[in-house]
Amino acid sequence: QKEVEQNSGPLSVPEGAIASLNCTYSDRGSQSFFWYRQYSGKSPELIMSIYSNGDKEDGRFTAQLNKASQYVSLLIRDSQPSDSATYLCAVRKSGANSKLTFGKGITLSVRP
Amino acid sequence: SQTIHQWPATLVQPVGSPLSLECTVEGTSNPNLYWYRQAAGRGLQLLFYSVGIGQISSEVPQNLSASRPQDRQFILSSKKLLLSDSGFYLCACFLMGPGELFFGEGSRLTVL
Repeated sequence: QKEVEQNSGPLSVPEGAIASLNCTYSDRGSQSFFWYRQYSGKSPELIMSIYSNGDKEDGRFTAQLNKASQYVSLLIRDSQPSDSATYLCAVRKSGANSKLTFGKGITLSVRP
Repeated sequence: SQTIHQWPATLVQPVGSPLSLECTVEGTSNPNLYWYRQAAGRGLQLLFYSVGIGQISSEVPQNLSASRPQDRQFILSSKKLLLSDSGFYLCACFLMGPGELFFGEGSRLTVL
């Protein structure tokens, strides 16, 4: 099993819809979880971090963490064409000297 | 605020030629620094990380090397490039306060 797995995608949603991005991880000792957005040809930018079970909301973005099931998700409400990008899930293990392990990413396309 | 500068932004090199990519961080001291590579169709792969001057840890055996000659400078090198070294190289800095990883703008390398 890969350390961090994301659905291969791509994912296409109409403008205004909710986009749901999922990620699972293998190490139960993982402590910190992150979602990065990467536009084509650009470097990843951090959009959400979550550390405890439950939901964390920031504007149109909601991160959800379930440590028992070892998954973390990102919901994007009222999706906009500008949300079209690749979304990377990243996990930091406990005692991992701040190293992050990334999933391969899922490409989201928001149709006008 | 922290800023990560990478250069060159783009380069095309022949197989067998040397490589030097530079990363400089501003706005923080004694940062943990990382080199990641993103190859076409693949996820982010951690290559090296450094917790201080002269301290380098290698994650993946390869023909690349890294050095940290100054607190806020991180260099990625190769004596002889391979075709498989092509990719998008990202320098990243870990910020202790928020516990988050931030990326520079990246250096895109094409080996022909």
